Amino acid sequence: GENVEQHPSTLSVQEGDSAVIKCTYSDSASNYFPWYKQELGKRPQLIIDIRSNVGEKKDQRIAVTLNKTAKHFSLHITETQPEDSAVYFCAAGSYGQNFVFGPGTRLSVLP
Amino acid sequence: NAGVTQTPKFQVLKTGQSMTLQCAQDMNHNSMYWYRQDPGMGLRLIYYSASEGTTDKGEVPNGYNVSRLNKREFSLRLESAAPSQTSVYFCATNLAGGTDTQYFGPGTRLTVL
Repeated sequence: GENVEQHPSTLSVQEGDSAVIKCTYSDSASNYFPWYKQELGKRPQLIIDIRSNVGEKKDQRIAVTLNKTAKHFSLHITETQPEDSAVYFCAAGSYGQNFVFGPGTRLSVLP
Repeated sequence: NAGVTQTPKFQVLKTGQSMTLQCAQDMNHNSMYWYRQDPGMGLRLIYYSASEGTTDKGEVPNGYNVSRLNKREFSLRLESAAPSQTSVYFCATNLAGGTDTQYFGPGTRLTVL
């Protein structure tokens, strides 16, 4: 079955700097890769996703890149702000297979 | 639209007690899921229902049962609660399977003493 690893487990950055979180997956059949943000005490919410026919996707300060050959994908947050502080989860899924989530990255944006 | 709702928000049980967590969605989604979230463990799938009338085990099904009551509702039952089941439980829904955004409910925080 699919296995998703995520690094780092914790990340601290200065406000205004960039943050990068990396995930690797094992199943070459996976073709959908969402990223979720979970603020303290709240539910996970989708922030961006990418499908395997696309190499990069951007939404304002957030971008995701996908390398199918190496089986890894990354979340990039530029110009970080205090409200970006949260736990971020990556996931991998495919048709007929449920998502497998990574263990999460706790991002702290320091003022 | 309420999206995905869960009841209760909080619950404290004694070891051996039973309870049912309720989840309902008004998004007309086919698939529904139950996850548990423990500190540092991410989201682990307990059971899922790909469509009305079907249910299947996920990664950590032991100690739980589910019922897909209709298209809108998916319940999770703990027959004899154990301290190891202390966790936050999230229900989620999507149109279908692993190629579509999942939407999560607000969660149920369960403590088993």
